Amino acid sequence: DIQMTQSPSSLVASVGDRVTIACRASQSIGTFLNWYQQKPREAPKLLIYAASSLQSGVPSRFSGSGSGTDFTLTISSLQPEDFATYYCQQSYNTPRTFGQGTKVEIK
Amino acid sequence: EVQLVESGGGLVQPGGSLRLSCAASGFTFSNNWMTWVRQAPGRGLEWVANIKQDGSEKNYVDSVKGRFTISRDNAKNSLYLQMNSLGAEDTAVYFCAREEQYYESGNYWFWFDPWGQGTLVTVSS
Repeated sequence: DIQMTQSPSSLVASVGDRVTIACRASQSIGTFLNWYQQKPREAPKLLIYAASSLQSGVPSRFSGSGSGTDFTLTISSLQPEDFATYYCQQSYNTPRTFGQGTKVEIK
Repeated sequence: EVQLVESGGGLVQPGGSLRLSCAASGFTFSNNWMTWVRQAPGRGLEWVANIKQDGSEKNYVDSVKGRFTISRDNAKNSLYLQMNSLGAEDTAVYFCAREEQYYESGNYWFWFDPWGQGTLVTVSS
């Protein structure tokens, strides 16, 4: 199985900050990498698919990059509604594994 | 509007069984792979199983193989998860999700969108 490792596990940031979350795959997965946002007591929401494609309706302050084993989710200017947990997920093969999550908290 | 609505969760004793359902609307259900993902209380997301458009291919995470069965009824726009021999480790919110796909140069990219609201399964005596 492909292991997905996110860093950091949590971070504290202020509104307006630039935030970067890393995701590393245990083997090369090309660009078969997606990012999701989950707020408490809600279902996850797709943000980025195929490593860098922005899902329709998602604000342009979110961006994704990377290929192979190393990927990044960037929020260019953190907004109050962005405080949530973020997950990466590989779709290179099954099982379609997730990272452990990165919780973004308010400073 | 594309919508997925799960049902069938509840409290079940260890060793018991439960069948989850996911009703789909707003899209052509038979065009997509479908997936189940679960989330234990206070934990991260764990992919559980998926099923091909016509039901001919099914995949499972190792921890549920031989105990869970994914199925679908395209005529009823419904996805199912039959869960047997349940243990405390299966306690979680179970989400169904559509697998959107994109094909290019011999490769398929998949992602989960949308997700249902989830249904809680609690395994306890």
